[in-house]
Amino acid sequence: EDQVTQSPEALRLQEGESSSLNCSYTVSGLRGLFWYRQDPGKGPEFLFTLYSAGEEKEKERLKATLTKKESFLHITAPKPEDSATYLCAVPSSSASKIIFGSGTRLSIRP
Amino acid sequence: DAMVIQNPRYQVTQFGKPVTLSCSQTLNHNVMYWYQQKSSQAPKLLFHYYDKDFNNEADTPDNFQSRRPNTSFCFLDIRSPGLGDAAMYLCATSRGSYEQYFGPGTRLTVT
Repeated sequence: EDQVTQSPEALRLQEGESSSLNCSYTVSGLRGLFWYRQDPGKGPEFLFTLYSAGEEKEKERLKATLTKKESFLHITAPKPEDSATYLCAVPSSSASKIIFGSGTRLSIRP
Repeated sequence: DAMVIQNPRYQVTQFGKPVTLSCSQTLNHNVMYWYQQKSSQAPKLLFHYYDKDFNNEADTPDNFQSRRPNTSFCFLDIRSPGLGDAAMYLCATSRGSYEQYFGPGTRLTVT
């Protein structure tokens, strides 16, 4: 069964304190892994797609990496405006839909 | 800018009174999705259209229906809203199984 698990559920950091969010997945024949950012009361905003183990993508203070079993979203020197819920998702192996993890709520204190 | 648009952004309806939420897209994507999201939970897929083919999730209540009259528009109909249907409803689009792009959502309140 396709499954996506994110950890931690919530993470509180001080401004400037770097850390990583984890997304582990179980899917037959990975066809991509997606990272989204969601602010309260808004729709998820697409950040990255990773397709193969070893691939990395960066956007400002965020860097996403992918292995054969998991993905990490590294946040370097975060600012309060990086506070949001970060969701990862993978395409289902059996249907044209994506499976979401439950998200990590990131809070950055000034 | 190409985008996914949802109307209205906020909808208040009475218990049992039918309501329709709308979604339009200028991305020319062939797949459109409707999700329900409740507080602190991941989006839950209700159904999706792959081109004209309708795909209903097994656990989507019969109370929810959808229409896609053309490539650009998709509607979510809730026939008899209950208090438990209060949530954020998200529309998304994709080109095949590539990444999905979401609209801003419609916050539904049931009184």
